Amino acid sequence: DAGVIQSPRHEVTEMGQEVTLRCKPISGHNSLFWYRQTMMRGLELLIYFNNNVPIDDSGMPEDRFSAKMPNASFSTLKIQPSEPRDSAVYFCASSLRAGRGNQPQHFGDGTRLSIL
Amino acid sequence: SQKIEQNSEALNIQEGKTATLTCNYTNYSPAYLQWYRQDPGRGPVFLLLIRENEKEKRKERLKVTFDTTLKQSLFHITASQPADSATYLCALDSGGGADGLTFGKGTHLIIQP
Repeated sequence: DAGVIQSPRHEVTEMGQEVTLRCKPISGHNSLFWYRQTMMRGLELLIYFNNNVPIDDSGMPEDRFSAKMPNASFSTLKIQPSEPRDSAVYFCASSLRAGRGNQPQHFGDGTRLSIL
Repeated sequence: SQKIEQNSEALNIQEGKTATLTCNYTNYSPAYLQWYRQDPGRGPVFLLLIRENEKEKRKERLKVTFDTTLKQSLFHITASQPADSATYLCALDSGGGADGLTFGKGTHLIIQP
């Protein structure tokens, strides 16, 4: 079975440009999570969706960040305009819907983003 | 918000010995605690989940304990192998009924042949 698929795997772009990260969750999973990982802060939850509806976006750092899930098989995380401090590895994860973290999350291999 | 502490220094263990990793948390007691493995350049991979009313969970060479009084989980790998070398992340539910997880920064485990 295919796991969570993220694209691109690597992105290098200049400050001020728009960046769009993509994620295809595991079929049948109805929760989707976006995380960001840096050496300093570790893995941080940015936003998550249940049944395509955003539930908690309190981890989104600024208004420059936005996420959408137009259908059950696709989600995007957009940064506009991008800044050097946004450089990090961005992970998407999916799981079956459940409460209070009682389901394993399945992660993609991430997008390594570098903003010059 | 929840604060999770994992040993930030690398843990070096001789092959064949038991590796023990620690996860301490503050504030509220989570309903669930999970452990993940992360290899360089890859996403975290789920290993084990333990519930607050469970004291211990096992899976093959892995064992997790959960002490809500001490606010601590221990993760053990018995008969360790060089292939077990990786970073291990502890994760707790974010509280308030939310589905998201709060992760520790992980402990880098090195199994020496």
